[in-house]
Amino acid sequence: SAVISQKPSRDICQRGTSLTIQCQVDSQVTMMFWYRQQPGQSLTLIATANQGSEATYESGFVIDKFPISRPNLTFSTLTVSNMSPEDSSIYLCSVVPRGNTDTQYFGPGTRLTVL
Amino acid sequence: AQTVTQSQPEMSVQEAETVTLSCTYDTSENNYYLFWYKQPPSRQMILVIRQEAYKQQNATENRFSVNFQKAAKSFSLKISDSQLGDTAMYFCAFLLMNRDDKIIFGKGTRLHILP
Repeated sequence: SAVISQKPSRDICQRGTSLTIQCQVDSQVTMMFWYRQQPGQSLTLIATANQGSEATYESGFVIDKFPISRPNLTFSTLTVSNMSPEDSSIYLCSVVPRGNTDTQYFGPGTRLTVL
Repeated sequence: AQTVTQSQPEMSVQEAETVTLSCTYDTSENNYYLFWYKQPPSRQMILVIRQEAYKQQNATENRFSVNFQKAAKSFSLKISDSQLGDTAMYFCAFLLMNRDDKIIFGKGTRLHILP
C-alpha cells in the first residue's frame, strides 16, 4: 500500500472563495484520483489526475470549477473554485501504487464546509 | 455498464457476533476485481479485502472473509467475532481488470457493533 496525506484535513470557507486541497503520497504511484463524498453518501469520482497533462473529468465536473494539477508521480492538488454551500462535502484522493494491480488506496479526506 | 448494489443500508449486531453484508453486481465482463472498503467515523477509507474474479477461492483477511459467487454475481462480506472497532460504513466496489475504467462503488452499508 501507500501512505497518503491530505491537507487541510478540514476547512470552513466563505461562499465565492476557492480552496486548494493537497494530496501527497510517500511513493510513486501510477494513478491518482479525486472523489467527492457528500454526508452519508457513496463516493463520486470527480476526475483522474494525469501527470504532466490535463485531468480527465467525469460527467458533471468541469475544469473551471475543479482545476487539478499533478506535477509529478507523488503529488496532486484539487481546487474547489467559487465555492457555494452545495460544495460542502468530503474530498478524497486515492492512488494506485506502482507495482500494484489496480487496487486504490485512499487518503484521509478533507472535510469542507462552505458558509 | 457495471452496477453494484448493496441492499442493506444499515445493520446492527452485538459484539462478538458474526455479520454478513450483502453485495450484488452486474456485468457482462469476465475479468474484474471486487473490493470491500471500510470507512469508520474518522472517514479514512480502508481496503478490507480484494477478490480477483478468476480466482475460485474466497479471499480471507483475518476475521474478514468473502463469499464470492461468480455465477450469481454475489460478493458478500462476513465479519466474524465482530468488534466495536468494526463500526463503520462498508462499501462494495467493482473494477474491470486491465481496462482504463473507473471503480464502481455501491451505496454502502452502515454497520453498528453494539456493546
